[in-house]
Amino acid sequence: EPEVTQTPSHQVTQMGQEVILRCVPISNHLYFYWYRQILGQKVEFLVSFYNNEISEKSEIFDDQFSVERPDGSNFTLKIRSTKLEDSAMYFCASKGQQNTEAFFGQGTRLTVV
Amino acid sequence: AQRVTQPEKLLSVFKGAPVELKCNYSYSGSPELFWYVQYSRQRLQLLLRHISRESIKGFTADLNKGETSFHLKKPFAQEEDSAMYYCALVSPGGGNKLTFGTGTQLKVEL
Repeated sequence: EPEVTQTPSHQVTQMGQEVILRCVPISNHLYFYWYRQILGQKVEFLVSFYNNEISEKSEIFDDQFSVERPDGSNFTLKIRSTKLEDSAMYFCASKGQQNTEAFFGQGTRLTVV
Repeated sequence: AQRVTQPEKLLSVFKGAPVELKCNYSYSGSPELFWYVQYSRQRLQLLLRHISRESIKGFTADLNKGETSFHLKKPFAQEEDSAMYYCALVSPGGGNKLTFGTGTQLKVEL
C-alpha cells in the first residue's frame, strides 16, 4: 500500500540553524500539507500546497518557514533560523482529490537545542 | 473561526465496556468531520468520516448539528482499541485543511 514517507525521523539542531524536513507524498496525489504537534498539544495546520503554490497558510507559518516541491516527488519544509519553540513533531500529509482522505507520514521529530 | 473540542484527555475503560469519545465543534458553514486514530508508534490514519456513515472496527459516529457534536462510539471496547483519537474538521475552500481537536487517549484495560 502506498505511504507518505518522511525523513529524517528525528532531527536535532542548534538554535539559529536552518533545517529542511523532507516528505515523499503518495505518487499520484495533488494536495500536500504540513502540520506540527508540539509535545502535549494538538496537531496544528501549517500550510497547504497545490499546483506548485501555497493555497493556505496559518499564522504559525511566518517568514521563517518555506515549502518547496523541487522535483515532482519531494515536498520539503524549510525553517530558516530555528527557535527553541520550533521543537515539535512535524507531519506531512497528501491527498489525491480535494474531498478525499488525507494520508499522513510518520512524522519528523525536530528538537532545537 | 472553526474549532474542535475534545474535553477528555484520557478515557480509561474495561474490555467489553461501551466507549464514547466526545467531540464538539464550532464552524459557521456545513462541516465535514473526521475521526483520526494514532496507534502506538504508528502514523495518524483515518478512522471515520461523517459523510460515509460507515462503521469501522465497530466504531460509529453521528453528526448532530443541533448539538454540534460528532461523538465516537463503540458498544464493546477491545484491547486493540487503545490509541490516541483525534476529532477533526475540514474547512472547505483554499487548501481544505484539517483542524484537529486536542485528542483523547483511550486506554482499554483487561
